[in-house]
Amino acid sequence: SQLAEENLWALSVHEGESVTVNCSYKTSITALQWYRQKSGEGPAQLILIRSNEREKRNGRLRATLDTSSQSSSLSITATRCEDTAVYFCATEGQGGRALIFGTGTTVSVSP
Amino acid sequence: GGIITQTPKFLIGQEGQKLTLKCQQNFNHDTMYWYRQDSGKGLRLIYYSITENDLQKGDLSEGYDASREKKSSFSLTVTSAQKNEMAVFLCASSIMGFNYAEQFFGPGTRLTVL
Repeated sequence: SQLAEENLWALSVHEGESVTVNCSYKTSITALQWYRQKSGEGPAQLILIRSNEREKRNGRLRATLDTSSQSSSLSITATRCEDTAVYFCATEGQGGRALIFGTGTTVSVSP
Repeated sequence: GGIITQTPKFLIGQEGQKLTLKCQQNFNHDTMYWYRQDSGKGLRLIYYSITENDLQKGDLSEGYDASREKKSSFSLTVTSAQKNEMAVFLCASSIMGFNYAEQFFGPGTRLTVL
């Protein structure tokens, strides 16, 4: 089965700084999704990037995808305290009908 | 927009007990999912259902049963709760079950077994 994996368990930054979360996956994919989970909530999708795309932006978020190295990154610029969350990458699995989530990277943004 | 409701929010059970978690969605989505989230281990798929009365096993289905009697609802049963078990169970839904469908999640049910 597919495996998506974030590279670091936790990152800490100060408000206003940028932060990048990295993800690697095992086999070919059609698309990769980034989700964010705030404390006490379920995950929410941030960005979906398809295999034929190299970069995708959503406001302060920028995702990249490198299919040759089977890796993706999610960058957040001008971070805010409310960006504090666990960030997951997810790729397709189970015959394309379900998602495989990585273990997540905790991003903490302090004032 | 829509919403996914999970009940109960907190569930405390005894070892060996059968426990049922419920999930409702008003997105009119075809596919629904149950995931288990343990601390530091990400989300692991327990069951999913692509339509009413359909059930598909995920990687973690042993020890669980599921039921999809209506399009809008998906239940999960822990068949025999394990002592000291603590986890969050997340329900999600998506349009069709294809590989890049966005999944919408509920807030979770937090299980503690005494």
